[in-house]
Amino acid sequence: EVQLVQSGAEVKKPGESLKISCKASGYSFANFWIGWVRQMPGRGLEWMGIIYPGESDATYSPAFQGQVTISADKSLSAASLQWSSLKASDTAIYYCARPMMLREVVITIDYWGQGTLVTVSS
Amino acid sequence: QSALTQPPSASGSPGQSVTISCTGTSSDVGGYDYVSWYQQHPGKAPKLMIYEVTKRPSGVPDRFSGSKSGNTASLTVSGLQAEDGADYYCSSYADSHNLGVFGGGTKLTVL
Repeated sequence: EVQLVQSGAEVKKPGESLKISCKASGYSFANFWIGWVRQMPGRGLEWMGIIYPGESDATYSPAFQGQVTISADKSLSAASLQWSSLKASDTAIYYCARPMMLREVVITIDYWGQGTLVTVSS
Repeated sequence: QSALTQPPSASGSPGQSVTISCTGTSSDVGGYDYVSWYQQHPGKAPKLMIYEVTKRPSGVPDRFSGSKSGNTASLTVSGLQAEDGADYYCSSYADSHNLGVFGGGTKLTVL
């Protein structure tokens, strides 16, 4: 059974750094793309980016390029999402997601993590 | 503003059918058969209900069906049940976004 288990909720201050994680199990982690989806309070879903763990090759949505770093550790079967300097506007739920791909294009998302709430407030 | 347009709300009584629309352009919904629908209950992660316009993942009731005409995709829920009340999001592959684009979501209320 495919499972994506995310790290717990975080409360941070503006300017602080943060790394959240997603532990995958039930499939060959290195051979499937995995990514992150943001959901701001009361809002819809937004793709942030995806990474292919086998090559650590990351693709970002333009809105998130340079704002976050997505990484993957094959030895741990885990993906991470990292900020170097958080802003209040980063307050959101972040979902780890395994997309179904066709030639490096996202077709759908068949597996989701449970979500990690990140609250950034002074 | 989301790339795909969904009505903010929809409703129906138990047993009835309700259809939720998702309107895009020829560069996304209209140009490709890669439309998905996700169900999200409050405080929960989204769940895939429909992919590639009409396909249902294993375990999704056949009360849920998808279709597409031109630049508009639709999700129909037949025989509404109380547990169908949730937010529904569409998504599509898009020329300009290799990660795909989402709709703004529709809150389905079962009266």
